[in-house]
Amino acid sequence: DADVTQTPRNRITKTGKRIMLECSQTKGHDRMYWYRQDPGLGLRLIYYSFDVKDINKGEISDGYSVSRQAQAKFSLSLESAIPNQTALYFCATKGGETQYFGPGTRLLVL
Amino acid sequence: AQSVSQHNHHVILSEAASLELGCNYSYGGTVNLFWYVQYPGQHLQLLLKYFSGDPLVKGIKGFEAEFIKSKFSFNLRKPSVQWSDTAEYFCAVMSYNTDKLIFGTGTRLQVFP
Repeated sequence: DADVTQTPRNRITKTGKRIMLECSQTKGHDRMYWYRQDPGLGLRLIYYSFDVKDINKGEISDGYSVSRQAQAKFSLSLESAIPNQTALYFCATKGGETQYFGPGTRLLVL
Repeated sequence: AQSVSQHNHHVILSEAASLELGCNYSYGGTVNLFWYVQYPGQHLQLLLKYFSGDPLVKGIKGFEAEFIKSKFSFNLRKPSVQWSDTAEYFCAVMSYNTDKLIFGTGTRLQVFP
């Protein structure tokens, strides 16, 4: 069984729609992260959470919000999706000094 | 601000060729260094990491990397690549005083049989 899971794996939405990407982990880690990956830009940090009560903005948080519902769950929302948010989104957890990544959600905003 | 540079954006090799992918970072303090691999259609997997100690670290699948502090580099190497090594490779750095992993832009490796 995968330790970090993401749903949905693929999503197509329209400009202006609100969507939520979900991440769950069974690793028991306190720290969780959301990244987006764009071709030629690598991964960039959107938000991160040290625990349920501690959420922090990353380098590209504008247009996104997050919710840490429990230690195991960390959701990313796009309040009003726009085409330049089309990307591959990864959730990760951190154990020790190492981050472990989920399988990704491929999002297309039309 | 910290940054990570991967100068090779796209590398094409034949099987059995040797591989070296460059990674340089800009941060003067103590860092943890990582190489991740992303096979086509898959998520990122940890290839190897350096925290301290022997600057030559060995990872999975025959990969190794050498930390050269004076050059701020952490180059990835493999003596003989295989077709199955076709993937994108990301170098990443985390400084001791932050919890953020900074990624390079990635190097796409294509290995032809």
